[in-house]
Amino acid sequence: GAVVSQHPSRVICKSGTSVKIECRSLDFQATTMFWYRQFPKKSLMLMATSNEGSKATYEQGVEKDKFLINHASLTLSTLTVTSAHPEDSSFYICSAKGQAYLETQYFGPGTRLLVL
Amino acid sequence: AQSVTQLGSHVSVSEGALVLLRCNYSSSVPPYLFWYVQYPNQGLQLLLKYTSAATLVKGINGFEAEFKKSETSFHLTKPSAHMSDAAEYYCAVSDELTGGGNKLTFGTGTQLKVEL
Repeated sequence: GAVVSQHPSRVICKSGTSVKIECRSLDFQATTMFWYRQFPKKSLMLMATSNEGSKATYEQGVEKDKFLINHASLTLSTLTVTSAHPEDSSFYICSAKGQAYLETQYFGPGTRLLVL
Repeated sequence: AQSVTQLGSHVSVSEGALVLLRCNYSSSVPPYLFWYVQYPNQGLQLLLKYTSAATLVKGINGFEAEFKKSETSFHLTKPSAHMSDAAEYYCAVSDELTGGGNKLTFGTGTQLKVEL
């Protein structure tokens, strides 16, 4: 139980284009989803927290117009990197929290983004 | 504010030897504590968690951790290392009282290397 998927697992795009990453909770309803960014050999940096049906809460220093987050249902959240640039290249990981174990986040497998 | 300190960014053990990964936390309220493991190019997998029940917590793959309030520690141990344990390990803290939806604060990670 508590499986979270991400799609795509890796994506390469040209500078200036937008990329959408999906995060799905497969066997539970996610009341809250989180988006993280991880730089090589570094820890995870929380970007934003999203609750179903409401606007995401962004961490300080994260551009909300650049990283658009939508949490349209209890099983799906999307992160759209708009007008991507090479510095946006990174490993993006989502996590989800359900009603059964409110304190525990379950993580997706991550999405490797490379912007050329 | 919460924080997590993982002593030793790299730990190397021989196969069959004891694994000890250190984690100290800081929290002004009773914490929830987690250990996650990350294999290369993958998301995080929950190893175990402490949520104010038993102080000795057993997790998957033979790992366990003991919550010691007096030492503000939550060290991860495994009696006998296996080659498949080689990975990055993250300690994380949250608490039940945050209004931010139980945001996790991660340590900087410990890379475990297992040698023959």
